[in-house]
Amino acid sequence: GNSVTQMEGPVTLSEEAFLTINCTYTATGYPSLFWYVQYPGEGLQLLLKATKADDKGSNKGFEATYRKETTSFHLEKGSVQVSDSAVYFCALSPYYGGSQGNLIFGKGTKLSVKP
Amino acid sequence: EPEVTQTPSHQVTQMGQEVILRCVPISNHLYFYWYRQILGQKVEFLVSFYNNEISEKSEIFDDQFSVERPDGSNFTLKIRSTKLEDSAMYFCASSGDRGSGYTFGSGTRLTVV
Repeated sequence: GNSVTQMEGPVTLSEEAFLTINCTYTATGYPSLFWYVQYPGEGLQLLLKATKADDKGSNKGFEATYRKETTSFHLEKGSVQVSDSAVYFCALSPYYGGSQGNLIFGKGTKLSVKP
Repeated sequence: EPEVTQTPSHQVTQMGQEVILRCVPISNHLYFYWYRQILGQKVEFLVSFYNNEISEKSEIFDDQFSVERPDGSNFTLKIRSTKLEDSAMYFCASSGDRGSGYTFGSGTRLTVV
């Protein structure tokens, strides 16, 4: 079946540090991959996505590359800010194009950035 | 930018009562979803809805749950007889044609006392 495994948190970094949050997946077919962010007290916001192998999603300085050979979609940011403190969810959609079928979420990684 | 709207933002109900959570998906979207997130835990899929019927549901979505699209714009989740363990944040989402992605609402926090 389809599943997403995300690194356990919480992750605590100093401002301007480099961030990596690991995400690996198991899926059949040609899934699409997503990162969602949840700021304290708010809902889920799409951060970035990639719909096929070798695609790189990017937004707000965050990047993730869809690696089919390692079944990974690790989230990275070169220099984090205090405002990046949030919970980050890796997610998978079973279908190519990423608009159909239920999303399967990882457990979430809480990031805290200290000034 | 189009939004998915959920009401109410917070609902408190007594155990055993019925609740209806409301959502207005993006108007040209075709697929509708409910997810829930128990405090501090992962986001879990409940049900998907397409062409006026349930297309997929999880084991969480038992006989106590139902969904409806009563008027072509609203999409509702009903819990018939709430239990304490139904306390969670409930998210509605919608998606359109291939490539349009999913848009989530800001959620309804349900507290069962």
